[in-house]
Amino acid sequence: QKEVEQDPGPLSVPEGAIVSLNCTYSNSAFQYFMWYRQYSRKGPELLMYTYSSGNKEDGRFTAQVDKSSKYISLFIRDSQPSDSATYLCGSGFGNAGNMLTFGGGTRLMVKP
Amino acid sequence: EADIYQTPRYLVIGTGKKITLECSQTMGHDKMYWYQQDPGMELHLIHYSYGVNSTEKGDLSSESTVSRIRTEHFPLTLESARPSHTSQYLCASSGPGTGELFFGEGSRLTVL
Repeated sequence: QKEVEQDPGPLSVPEGAIVSLNCTYSNSAFQYFMWYRQYSRKGPELLMYTYSSGNKEDGRFTAQVDKSSKYISLFIRDSQPSDSATYLCGSGFGNAGNMLTFGGGTRLMVKP
Repeated sequence: EADIYQTPRYLVIGTGKKITLECSQTMGHDKMYWYQQDPGMELHLIHYSYGVNSTEKGDLSSESTVSRIRTEHFPLTLESARPSHTSQYLCASSGPGTGELFFGEGSRLTVL
């Protein structure tokens, strides 16, 4: 079993839709949870960062962590064609040298 | 915007050639990483370094080697490239505490 799992997609939605991207993880010791966005032929860029359980909102993006069910979510409101990318979730320990374990990524396509 | 640079961005070489992928960061980060990513696939950690003269192998076995002689520089070398080395190689760095990884744009290697 992979430590962090994501549905690879692709997920295709119309412009303006609310998008829900999800990850599950198996290691209950993970403390940091991150979402990265990766455009084609580019390096990943950090989108959202949360520590432990709870919600975090930044503009159209909301990250949600439920440690009891080991479930990580990213919600995108009013999705735009420019949101079309691969979204990677990553989890890590607090003191393990910032080592992150990534899911395989979900490819999102937002159609105008 | 992250100040981490990779060269070359694209490289096509023949089997048996020696190549070095360069990675430099100007953020003064102690921790640096190399990930391998095949198209549409997840990131796999192949090397990491916690500081000068410190290098470790990651989760994915790789025939490449790395060195860390200077804080800002973390080159990856393949002594004899093979078609199985064809992939995208992503360099990243992180500062203390937060666990946030800053990625370079990637080096896409094709071995014929």
